[in-house]
Amino acid sequence: EAAVTQSPRNKVAVTGGKVTLSCNQTNNHNNMYWYRQDTGHGLRLIHYSYGAGSTEKGDIPDGYKASRPSQENFSLILELATPSQTSVYFCASGGGTGERLFFGHGTKLSVL
Amino acid sequence: GDQVEQSPSALSLHEGTGSALRCNFTTTMRAVQWFRKNSRGSLINLFYLASGTKENGRLKSAFDSKERYSTLHIRDAQLEDSGTYFCAADSGGNYKPTFGKGTSLVVHP
Repeated sequence: EAAVTQSPRNKVAVTGGKVTLSCNQTNNHNNMYWYRQDTGHGLRLIHYSYGAGSTEKGDIPDGYKASRPSQENFSLILELATPSQTSVYFCASGGGTGERLFFGHGTKLSVL
Repeated sequence: GDQVEQSPSALSLHEGTGSALRCNFTTTMRAVQWFRKNSRGSLINLFYLASGTKENGRLKSAFDSKERYSTLHIRDAQLEDSGTYFCAADSGGNYKPTFGKGTSLVVHP
């Protein structure tokens, strides 16, 4: 079973502060993804990556940056957090041809 | 509009009964996956289909790319099947799975 680990599990941030969410996968998947989940919206794609050094904009990238320094690690960065970014964030790996998506346990972020 | 339309948004079942969840796609999809979000908040991958049907225990899924839909059938529902079910599909090329808005399933005694 693919292992995807997110940290932190919970985060409280102040408006205007910087937040970094981290994700690590141990299955050597090329593709990694960051989604946010809000009631009534399902999961929406923020950024994704095809491999180390690659980042691509998803469907709702505004206010977020991403970094993929290695095959294993993919970070989501909120440079200036806003209350509208309060959500549950999920990282996933896989998703290539014939590949299932495997998710981390999620990070609950509250921006006050 | 949304590429993935999931229905119903909510479903209530008695233990031992069954039902079907459905996702309709507005474009041709390469593959579909089904997930369950459990009470702990974890997203569990139930199925990956590029075509045809797959079955796992009391769950069965089908995907028809040409007709642009996928279904997830649950039979003999148990209390532990409660949760939110999501489908996700991608149209190929750039491997960007798009999710439906989910079906909230409650199984009660």
